[in-house]
Amino acid sequence: AQSVSQHNHHVILSEAASLELGCNYSYGGTVNLFWYVQYPGQHLQLLLKYFSGDPLVKGIKGFEAEFIKSKFSFNLRKPSVQWSDTAEYFCAVSGSQGNLIFGKGTKLSVKP
Amino acid sequence: NAGVTQTPKFRVLKTGQSMTLLCAQDMNHEYMYWYRQDPGMGLRLIHYSVGEGTTAKGEVPDGYNVSRLKKQNFLLGLESAAPSQTSVYFCASSFTPRTEAFFGQGTRLTVV
Repeated sequence: AQSVSQHNHHVILSEAASLELGCNYSYGGTVNLFWYVQYPGQHLQLLLKYFSGDPLVKGIKGFEAEFIKSKFSFNLRKPSVQWSDTAEYFCAVSGSQGNLIFGKGTKLSVKP
Repeated sequence: NAGVTQTPKFRVLKTGQSMTLLCAQDMNHEYMYWYRQDPGMGLRLIHYSVGEGTTAKGEVPDGYNVSRLKKQNFLLGLESAAPSQTSVYFCASSFTPRTEAFFGQGTRLTVV
């Protein structure tokens, strides 16, 4: 069965610090990978996605992620976080059956 | 363009009561999903649909039923509500497993 693991439950950073959030997935076939963000009180929005091609993908708001097939990983990065990046971040994977499975999420708190 | 609309936004049920949550999308998407979001658990897939007239079980289907009689609507039913079903429910839709899933604003359900 598909599963997604996010390593960090809560990350606290100061503004301008670099961010890396870990994501590992378990799936035997071709996967499509996503990172979504949920700002307080809002619904999920797409940050970036990967399904083929260049394993380094760039998304909105300066976020990027690297797909490493051999490690079943899709880690999210940002060189310099801002207070407005405070949110919960979810990694997700979808397969050929059409189900879209999310990890448990990582809360990011950025101190001004 | 409304996107994905969920009704109702809030509901309080007594144990044993039934209710139906409605999700409507106006983007002609094939895939639709129902999730529940609980603190520390992320989003867990309840049921999903890959097209009109189809439904499939997700990670946590017990106690829920769904129907997709029309392409634009995906209904989630609770036949006999239990306190364990207190949660925030999100509906989402997408064209394919490779494309962005768009989320509704959520339904906060409390079962007392």
